[in-house]
Amino acid sequence: AQSVTQLGSHVSVSEGALVLLRCNYSSSVPPYLFWYVQYPNQGLQLLLKYTTGATLVKGINGFEAEFKKSETSFHLTKPSAHMSDAAEYFCAVSGGSNYKLTFGKGTLLTVNP
Amino acid sequence: DAGVTQSPTHLIKTRGQHVTLRCSPISGHKSVSWYQQVLGQGPQFIFQYYEKEERGRGNFPDRFSARQFPNYSSELNVNALLLGDSALYLCASSRFGQELKTGNTIYFGEGSWLTVV
Repeated sequence: AQSVTQLGSHVSVSEGALVLLRCNYSSSVPPYLFWYVQYPNQGLQLLLKYTTGATLVKGINGFEAEFKKSETSFHLTKPSAHMSDAAEYFCAVSGGSNYKLTFGKGTLLTVNP
Repeated sequence: DAGVTQSPTHLIKTRGQHVTLRCSPISGHKSVSWYQQVLGQGPQFIFQYYEKEERGRGNFPDRFSARQFPNYSSELNVNALLLGDSALYLCASSRFGQELKTGNTIYFGEGSWLTVV
């Protein structure tokens, strides 16, 4: 079985500050890890994903995430927050024989002017 | 090319009623998956279909059913609606249905918002 824990249901940062959204996973097989963003009243948009190879993954809109197997983590970062980053962010895992994504509960990011 | 399209975008139903939600995958994609996202939670897997056959089912009651048509579009049906069925229902499509086993991407639609009163 696979599971995802996102630490912090709500993160608030000032515009221009570092964004750090935390994700820890559990998986009995090598995981594939995803970050999705959901803007109000919209569907899910893929930000970035880790499959194999380089553990530092760059995505859209200046976001990146680092896969750390020893810590079972895949935290999402952005050096400088922008007002347009305000949204809900979901970490998800798949892999092995899984044909589905298993999502965390999400982190709501608020960006203050 | 059009992305994943879902209809209706919003609907309100009464407890005990039945609802049908529809999804058209991206052109060339033969697999459709359904997810339920309750307010304040992450999406949860309901079904996956590939070539009109059910490939996977999540932990949902038998009131939930789905089917896929020859043109690869899909319907999600929910019978005897409960207040707890109020959620955003997301459809995702992929070409072969195996993508998540290898870390490839599936593509989500905008969702159908269901409110049960």
